[in-house]
Amino acid sequence: QQPVQSPQAVILREGEDAVINCSSSKALYSVHWYRQKHGEAPVFLMILLKGGEQKGHEKISASFNEKKQQSSLYLTASQLSYSGTYFCGTRRVGAQKLVFGQGTRLTINP
Amino acid sequence: GAVVSQHPSRVICKSGTSVKIECRSLDFQATTMFWYRQFPKKSLMLMATSNEGSKATYEQGVEKDKFLINHASLTLSTLTVTSAHPEDSSFYICSASAGTESGEQYFGPGTRLTVT
Repeated sequence: QQPVQSPQAVILREGEDAVINCSSSKALYSVHWYRQKHGEAPVFLMILLKGGEQKGHEKISASFNEKKQQSSLYLTASQLSYSGTYFCGTRRVGAQKLVFGQGTRLTINP
Repeated sequence: GAVVSQHPSRVICKSGTSVKIECRSLDFQATTMFWYRQFPKKSLMLMATSNEGSKATYEQGVEKDKFLINHASLTLSTLTVTSAHPEDSSFYICSASAGTESGEQYFGPGTRLTVT
């Protein structure tokens, strides 16, 4: 079952912050975050394993709430290069495959 | 590290012909490769999971006789679209995983298929 991402789209000015959420109705083993720019392949950002850990990558970080089966991606002091569509991919316990959310389109304006 | 290539990047073919797309992991051994299809402004839809040396596992609704997948080595998987029709036109993307516990997948650059 496809995870639900929110919001579907967000427009920011450069330097503003954003939060993208990913929720699943199934028990998850991990959540994977990707960013895709138009016409290109998704680029791996980070992976969150069950256990409620939080990870960071420069000004992009994420958390995974195992009880709620929800992950959030935090973008702070956004840069123009952050524009693109963000996908979460969820992996269930014992499964190899990822199921991707519908995507969140992020637009950063100068 | 974790570089995945795809070839060709773009292909145009006529209805009824077959097209082969290659996916290679360049700097790691991919025990598992995945094939996705993506329509404009839509999400990534998994078509099949391919483990090296085994038959591919297809998702529900994906015709295995139409989309032939071969994963003969730890660095190469191929997707052949047989008897292509215009409705097969799409962006096809592969990803590769080294089989680690965390299961990271790294995507190739994708192949834009247009069937005329």
